[in-house]
Order: sequence, then structure tokens, then C-alpha cells
Amino acid sequence: GAVVSQHPSWVICKSGTSVKIECRSLDFQATTMFWYRQFPKQSLMLMATSNEGSKATYEQGVEKDKFLINHASLTLSTLTVTSAHPEDSSFYICSASPGVSNQPQHFGDGTRLSIL
Amino acid sequence: DAKTTQPNSMESNEEEPVHLPCNHSTISGTDYIHWYRQLPSQGPEYVIHGLTSNVNNRMASLAIAEDRKSSTLILHRATLRDAAVYYCILRESNNAGNMLTFGGGTRLMVKP
Repeated sequence: GAVVSQHPSWVICKSGTSVKIECRSLDFQATTMFWYRQFPKQSLMLMATSNEGSKATYEQGVEKDKFLINHASLTLSTLTVTSAHPEDSSFYICSASPGVSNQPQHFGDGTRLSIL
Repeated sequence: DAKTTQPNSMESNEEEPVHLPCNHSTISGTDYIHWYRQLPSQGPEYVIHGLTSNVNNRMASLAIAEDRKSSTLILHRATLRDAAVYYCILRESNNAGNMLTFGGGTRLMVKP
């Protein structure tokens, strides 16, 4: 069964809406989770590293005020796309691992976000 | 992060073995070789990983060259459900962040 649960699976909403995506580790505690974005026919691009109890680390070019990350517990990280616009439409994927180096990353099933 | 090179796409017939190559000539001594695959409209799925020795699990086998500059993921009998994008990724053993950097991967097509 899934060890990382991501919700919702898909979202369609109007431009200007804020959308929250949840990522939960089900079988382990994760001090670090990762958020990726994937455009059609492209590979996954890391957006940010979510750290439990501290601020997220964003990759270059990713606006921290637009993509708000909260990692308030060892099993939950949330990504909020604020004031979403059509160009934010993408496939968002989270991942987590038990934190020991070289343990596999477990990925959620992704959230397909469509902004009209 | 050290880079990997994979063919963009490969084709295979159902029930036949598939060998997916990966070049990583700049690999460092502490880099592990990880393979993930992504089925359509899903998040990536872990397949296998190794350091120096060949590895086997229920999904696949990983053959690592003696100089570690290349590796091959082996699917022993391809099925239609194995059609996916396969990513070969190097991961530092002391990478506390455990992040993965995805390249383009190989799109495997399986013909019935």
C-alpha cells in the first residue's frame, strides 16, 4: 500500500484562487519532505525542501511567497499555491523518506492542478 | 550532483527481457545508483538501488560496471504494465537532504 498519501488528486479552479495540497507520510516520520513540479512531457523539477519545524528551502527561481510550504508535524507537509494563475497549472508531486541516507524516496501519486 | 545519461526511449516486446542503460562517468565513490520509474499520471516509484555490487529484487536487477561509470537496469520479462519512464539517479551517501535530481529518463514502450 501507499506509504505517502497526497491529496487531492486533482483540482480545477478559477484564476486567483489559492489551492492547498497535502502530503502525508503514513508509515514513518519524515523530518524532510520534498515538493516537485512536472510539466507535460518533462521531468520532475524540485521546487522546495520542506523541513519539519523550520522554514522550507526553495530552489532557485521558485517564489516562496507564491508557493507556501508548511511542515508542522513529522507526518504532514502542505503546499499552498497562492493566487494561482493558468501558468501554475501542472502536476505537483511530494516525496518523503524515513530520513536515513540511501533509503528510497516514497512519492505521492501527485496532484494535477488546472487553473482556468 | 553527478549527472547521468540515458537514452530517450526504448522499445521492447512483451515477455522479453529489457536492458536499460545508464552512463554516469563522473560518479563519485560515495554515490549510490538509484532507479525509479514513473507510470503515466502517477508519482515516481522506487525500483532498485546499489553501490558497487549487482543487486536483485522482485522488480528488477541492477548490474553495475566494475568501474561504476555505467549501470544497467534489467527487467527480466517485460509486461505491458512496465511501460513507464525509467530514471537513473545518483544519490550522495552523505546527502542529509536525501533529495533526488531527475534527468530526462528513458521512456520504455512495451509492445504486445
